[in-house]
Amino acid sequence: GQQVMQIPQYQHVQEGEDFTTYCNSSTTLSNIQWYKQRPGGHPVFLIQLVKSGEVKKQKRLTFQFGEAKKNSSLHITATQTTDVGTYFCAGQGGGSNYKLTFGKGTLLTVNP
Amino acid sequence: DSGVTQTPKHLITATGQRVTLRCSPRSGDLSVYWYQQSLDQGLQFLIQYYNGEERAKGNILERFSAQQFPDLHSELNLSSLELGDSALYFCASSALGKANYGYTFGSGTRLTVV
Repeated sequence: GQQVMQIPQYQHVQEGEDFTTYCNSSTTLSNIQWYKQRPGGHPVFLIQLVKSGEVKKQKRLTFQFGEAKKNSSLHITATQTTDVGTYFCAGQGGGSNYKLTFGKGTLLTVNP
Repeated sequence: DSGVTQTPKHLITATGQRVTLRCSPRSGDLSVYWYQQSLDQGLQFLIQYYNGEERAKGNILERFSAQQFPDLHSELNLSSLELGDSALYFCASSALGKANYGYTFGSGTRLTVV
């Protein structure tokens, strides 16, 4: 079945440093979504990418979808302590069920 | 409040027992998904319902079952519980067929089997 790999598993940065997490799917995706889960919280939807090569920005966050629609990345510029949490990518393989396969996530910690 | 309601928030039960987790989706969402989250396995897809019918099945054990009722709320039944079933169980809903909405997750039920 479809597998979504995400690296790194953990990332610790100093406040103000940049952060990137990478996501790779074993199959071509119809779209990819990103979620953030704060410690003790639930995943919260951030964004969806649909088109090959798509790039979207949300303030300091930049999301990219690869040309082959099999990989994606999330880049945070100048991290802040409020960015702490686990970032998940989730791929949708198409079809009518809209099931999402989640990567294992990257836990970001930020040292103030 | 995300709009997806899960009860109970916490559940402690003994091995061999049976429990029922409940989820009410966000108003207007017809699709409900159940996920299990453990430290080492991340978010594992269990099952999806759409408007009362099972739409997709993931790595759901035979001891687990679910259903979605006419009012669209869903229940996940876990039986013959084992220590390894201890995890966070999330329900999510979506407006199936609409792009860029993603899933809306509930706050989860933390199940501890002792």
